[in-house]
Amino acid sequence: GNSVTQMEGPVTLSEEAFLTINCTYTATGYPSLFWYVQYPGEGLQLLLKATKADDKGSNKGFEATYRKETTSFHLEKGSVQVSDSAVYFCALRPGGNTGKLIFGQGTTLQVKP
Amino acid sequence: EPEVTQTPSHQVTQMGQEVILRCVPISNHLYFYWYRQILGQKVEFLVSFYNNEISEKSEIFDDQFSVERPDGSNFTLKIRSTKLEDSAMYFCASRAGAGAQPQHFGDGTRLSIL
Repeated sequence: GNSVTQMEGPVTLSEEAFLTINCTYTATGYPSLFWYVQYPGEGLQLLLKATKADDKGSNKGFEATYRKETTSFHLEKGSVQVSDSAVYFCALRPGGNTGKLIFGQGTTLQVKP
Repeated sequence: EPEVTQTPSHQVTQMGQEVILRCVPISNHLYFYWYRQILGQKVEFLVSFYNNEISEKSEIFDDQFSVERPDGSNFTLKIRSTKLEDSAMYFCASRAGAGAQPQHFGDGTRLSIL
C-alpha cells in the first residue's frame, strides 16, 4: 500500500541552524511527492513538489530531492528563521488517475531567536 | 492569489445533529477534495469529486457523509448524524487539472461535536 513516515517532532532549532526533516514513503507505481506547511491558525500551503525520481523541489530556501533508491524526500534548509516555525507535512500522490494525497503525521518545527 | 475559502471556521454541534461544511474552491478548478485531521493525528483523505460525481472515497466516508456541488462555486460536505468521533479539522482542497497539478487547501473548519 501507500504510506508516508516522517521523523518525530517537535524539532527545536536556533535561528540560522541547518534543518533536515526526514520523510520516507512506500508506494506502488510512480508517485508525486510534496511538502506542505501549516502555520499556526492557517491551512495547508504547498511548499514544494517533485514529480519524478531525482527531481529537486525548492521554494523559499527549502529543498527536497525525490530519491527513488532510498524512497525518501527529506526536507532541508540551510539557515532557518523564526518565521519558519510551523508544522511540516510530507505527502505523496499515488501514480495513476487518483488525485488523493496521503500525508505523513507532520513534524512541528520551532525556531528560537 | 486565488484561494480556497471555507466556512465556518469553527462549528459546534450537538451529537446526532446534521452539519454542513462549506467550501468555495478556486474558480476554474476541476477536482475537489475533503480531508480531515483529528487532533494529534494525520491528515486523512475522505473523498474526491470530479465532473459532478465522487471519483474516490476512503473507508472513513461512510453513509453518514455526502458531498455536493450545488452550484458553480460551492462544494459542501454533509454529515447526517454526527458522532463524537467526527470532531476534527476538515480541510477542503481543489486542483486545476490532472497530472502534476498540486492541490490548494483552505484554512479548514474546526468541527466540535458535544
